Amino acid sequence: GAGVSQSPSNKVTEKGKDVELRCDPISGHTALYWYRQSLGQGLEFLIYFQGNSAPDKSGLPSDRFSAERTGGSVSTLTIQRTQQEDSAVYLCASRQGLNYGYTFGSGTRLTVV
Amino acid sequence: DQQVKQNSPSLSVQEGRISILNCDYTNSMFDYFLWYKKYPAEGPTFLISISSIKDKNEDGRFTVFLNKSAKHLSLHIVPSQPGDSAVYFCAASGNTGTASKLTFGTGTRLQVTL
Repeated sequence: GAGVSQSPSNKVTEKGKDVELRCDPISGHTALYWYRQSLGQGLEFLIYFQGNSAPDKSGLPSDRFSAERTGGSVSTLTIQRTQQEDSAVYLCASRQGLNYGYTFGSGTRLTVV
Repeated sequence: DQQVKQNSPSLSVQEGRISILNCDYTNSMFDYFLWYKKYPAEGPTFLISISSIKDKNEDGRFTVFLNKSAKHLSLHIVPSQPGDSAVYFCAASGNTGTASKLTFGTGTRLQVTL
């Protein structure tokens, strides 16, 4: 596609439920990143994919968070047993290689009630 | 440990004047720096970048200055326009291997008034 697409754009879920957030990167972009922005905070790195593998998962805040990428394209971020502190905007970005800038999607606003 | 810091959460500037947004970093391994601009309900968009081999990069109304010894960079917008009102994020990377991720600051909200 022309840009990075994220779905859903908004998600309200009850505490304790699992959620899946989807990212469709720009076609041909090998690197994919997940970040989140909590209220009043900067962009917090979560995980980085190069192709289908994740060389850097250091930002995942707990084992309730996991992500996968299939076919070198679509990525899914899964949060199990959501907590209120998981409420944030989850942003996905992709880029063609290390010498290129990120292109971000518009994000998924997750609200855990 | 906040490796990239933007100490001013907000800034208000009159249209036509200069806007100066500041950013400090602590990791001496960072060698590539970027500024992103973010409007509400949109993802951040790339604005301008600078490599550590330079101390200045200019693109139209936007100039980024890098002071490596002080671990400080700044973004100058001249002249400021109302459409520049947004949140600006400073970001840095080591650009090698798994350090290719960007580390972002907390952002500065710029408001350009008429």
